[in-house]
Amino acid sequence: ILNVEQSPQSLHVQEGDSTNFTCSFPSSNFYALHWYRWETAKSPEALFVMTLNGDEKKKGRISATLNTKEGYSYLYIKGSQPEDSATYLCAFNAGGTSYGKLTFGQGTILTVHP
Amino acid sequence: GAVVSQHPSWVICKSGTSVKIECRSLDFQATTMFWYRQFPKQSLMLMATSNEGSKATYEQGVEKDKFLINHASLTLSTLTVTSAHPEDSSFYICSARWARGGRGEQYFGPGTRLTVT
Repeated sequence: ILNVEQSPQSLHVQEGDSTNFTCSFPSSNFYALHWYRWETAKSPEALFVMTLNGDEKKKGRISATLNTKEGYSYLYIKGSQPEDSATYLCAFNAGGTSYGKLTFGQGTILTVHP
Repeated sequence: GAVVSQHPSWVICKSGTSVKIECRSLDFQATTMFWYRQFPKQSLMLMATSNEGSKATYEQGVEKDKFLINHASLTLSTLTVTSAHPEDSSFYICSARWARGGRGEQYFGPGTRLTVT
């Protein structure tokens, strides 16, 4: 059973604060690491798909880094806004015979207070 | 682009009845669709992988006779929960992968909340 862990489980920040959270995953049989943003009653929204060690991706105020050798990824949000409030999920794709099968972490619930 | 719909968004049924959930890719063709389940305070857990025109592949511990999956076209997969029981009450969500998805991108529906009474 693959173990994907996210921390913290929840986070409360003030508007304007920058924040980051962590996803740890197995360092072997790595194919890709996915980040999703999930607002209540909506579909999870794909943020990033990261495949290479040292990858850094950015989308507006959100960015992510990847370390496949040590098995972790960080998601950063700069200048948090109330509309950033959501659950952020990471998912590990092992590739090979498991290609396409995503193993999810439990998510980090972010609440941004105005 | 890459929109996936799911219907119904919530359903309440009586124990012993069957419930069908539909997953559609609205603006792309999906050769592969995935079905996940989420119990309270737990992560999304993959139930099965559905390839168009072939039998679904179920994860360990998921009963294929209870959770019937049909993927008859490139835009539609259905999950039927047969003879539902209260322990089947959960949040079910599907995802779809492009026919030529390069890095395995999956696009999710909004999910279906099933309550079995």
